[in-house]
Amino acid sequence: QVQLVQSGAEVKKPGASVKVSCKASGYTFTSYGISWVRQAPGQGLEWMGWISAYNGNTNYAQKLQGRVTMTTDTSTSTAYMELRSLRSDDTAVYYCARENYHGSSKSDYWGQGTLVTVSS
Amino acid sequence: DIQMTQSPSSLSTSVGDRVTLTCRASQTISSYLNWYQLKPGKAPKLLIYAASTLQSGVPSRFSGSGSGTDFTLTISSLQPEDFATYYCQQSYSTPYTFGQGTKLEIK
Repeated sequence: QVQLVQSGAEVKKPGASVKVSCKASGYTFTSYGISWVRQAPGQGLEWMGWISAYNGNTNYAQKLQGRVTMTTDTSTSTAYMELRSLRSDDTAVYYCARENYHGSSKSDYWGQGTLVTVSS
Repeated sequence: DIQMTQSPSSLSTSVGDRVTLTCRASQTISSYLNWYQLKPGKAPKLLIYAASTLQSGVPSRFSGSGSGTDFTLTISSLQPEDFATYYCQQSYSTPYTFGQGTKLEIK
């Protein structure tokens, strides 16, 4: 069965970086993409971007350009999301999801979420 | 960016009720519309994609309709496990923006 397992919670100071991992199993990793979505406390879902696991092409949300990098390691079927220059408003639960772009694009399987807390 | 607006923002309902949630796009998105369910402490769950296609394993009481700019998610008979927050998302063009969500609460 399709599973996405994310790394554990992180506490970071403002200005630091965080790297969240997302290990996929149960499907052919390179046949899909990985999207990243976050939810700040009391807020809605925010699309951060996605990466093609086939060729590594990325598409980031404009507001995160320059601070976010999404990568994949096809040898371990793992995706990574690194966010730099952290601010307090980056405090959120970060989700990875399998992006199924066959037909219309949709995030059909999700990781369990990783809480990132940014606090001095 | 395409703006997605959901209404209402919250709704008090009862088990057994028929509920219709609305999502409107700021420009036409054809049928590139997904619906997700989010419960506290759990990962989002895909319910509907391409505006009206039921994701595998999702109960048939959920249905979606619409195209262009106006979309609806209908739950034909609310079950206790359906009290959650529902989000629409457009996948017509990046960034794949979400609506602000509709929270279903028990009356």
